[in-house]
Amino acid sequence: AQSVTQLGSHVSVSEGALVLLRCNYSSSVPPYLFWYVQYPNQGLQLLLKYTTGATLVKGINGFEAEFKKSETSFHLTKPSAHMSDAAEYFCAVRTNSGYSTLTFGKGTMLLVSP
Amino acid sequence: ETGVTQSPTHLIKTRGQQVTLRCSSQSGHNTVSWYQQALGQGPQFIFQYYREEENGRGNFPPRFSGLQFPNYSSELNVNALELDDSALYLCASSSQGTVNTEAFFGQGTRLTVV
Repeated sequence: AQSVTQLGSHVSVSEGALVLLRCNYSSSVPPYLFWYVQYPNQGLQLLLKYTTGATLVKGINGFEAEFKKSETSFHLTKPSAHMSDAAEYFCAVRTNSGYSTLTFGKGTMLLVSP
Repeated sequence: ETGVTQSPTHLIKTRGQQVTLRCSSQSGHNTVSWYQQALGQGPQFIFQYYREEENGRGNFPPRFSGLQFPNYSSELNVNALELDDSALYLCASSSQGTVNTEAFFGQGTRLTVV
């Protein structure tokens, strides 16, 4: 069965600093990986996804993530944090056993200080 | 903003009651998945409907049930509500059978059981 581990329930950065949110996955098959963002009292918005091909994927709002099979990781980065990036971020792996659904990590709250 | 709409946005119910949540899927999507997101947790998969039939289920008891209609909209029903059912319920629509299928989430229904 697939699983996702997000290291750090909270990450604090200063505005303009590098953002690094960690995600490790477990999957018995080549994974499809996703990062979603959730603002307070909102649903989930897709930031980026890895399916096949290039291992460095770029998403919206300047975020990117790199799929590293040898490390079973899919960490999310952004070179320079903005106040509007403050939100909760979820890493997810898609299952493909007869039907497709998402297994999520517990989430990482990103706090951005001025 | 996605084309997935959920109603109601907020709901307060008493323990033991029954509740129905509704979801309209994005145009062109034939699959609806439901997730429960407890406070401080990642979304947990409840079940998925495709072509009006349940085709996958997570670790939730039978008092969680659903329907999908010919227009692909869906309902989630929960009987005999318990306090632990208090959560944000998210609906996601997708198109089954396509490569790189992506799930689009609604804004969620916040259910409080008192």
